[in-house]
Amino acid sequence: NAGVMQNPRHLVRRRGQEARLRCSPVKGHSHVYWYRQLPEEGLKFMVYLQKENIIDESGMPKERFSAEFPKEGPSILRIQQVVRGDSAAYFCASSPGQGETQYFGPGTRLLVL
Amino acid sequence: RKEVEQDPGPFNVPEGATVAFNCTYSNSASQSFFWYRQDCRKEPKLLMSVYSSGNEDGRFTAQLNRASQYISLLIRDSKLSDSATYLCVVSRPLDNTDKLIFGTGTRLQVFP
Repeated sequence: NAGVMQNPRHLVRRRGQEARLRCSPVKGHSHVYWYRQLPEEGLKFMVYLQKENIIDESGMPKERFSAEFPKEGPSILRIQQVVRGDSAAYFCASSPGQGETQYFGPGTRLLVL
Repeated sequence: RKEVEQDPGPFNVPEGATVAFNCTYSNSASQSFFWYRQDCRKEPKLLMSVYSSGNEDGRFTAQLNRASQYISLLIRDSKLSDSATYLCVVSRPLDNTDKLIFGTGTRLQVFP
């Protein structure tokens, strides 16, 4: 069974560009979570989605960040007009249901120059 | 104040040693508790869930004290491969949010 897949694994962007991070959950999992880990810090929750719905976006910055989990295809975390402070590892996790174990993908490391 | 607090370490221990990590959480509504392990530049991996009665998995023992809002992890007979960062994690799934709340982690380095 394939685990959570994320791509790209590494992404370099210049300030002002857009970053698109993709996450394919474990087959059969309908719950997706995005977390961000800044250098030398712990993981911080960003957003929790079920198919086509955002359940909790309390950890998402109000501007420039958006997330979706369409009926078909991977979940996308989109960062517009990136700034240096967006440089971090972005981890996606999936679970089969609420309260179930979350399994993490390998992460996307975003570097903003 | 962080919602989940851990001693960042590092803990440097010889092979075969017993080492204990502690963690406190501030929100008494927290309902689920976990220890995750994170290797350098890798994703977190679930080590074990933590139950009120305490639970053991091989060389690892986890304890939860709800009254003191305190979680612990004991590793016996440390191996070189135990070197990693150990993350204390809580969640409140009954609040209709499934988010995991992570501590910043405790680094363990086991030396020969």
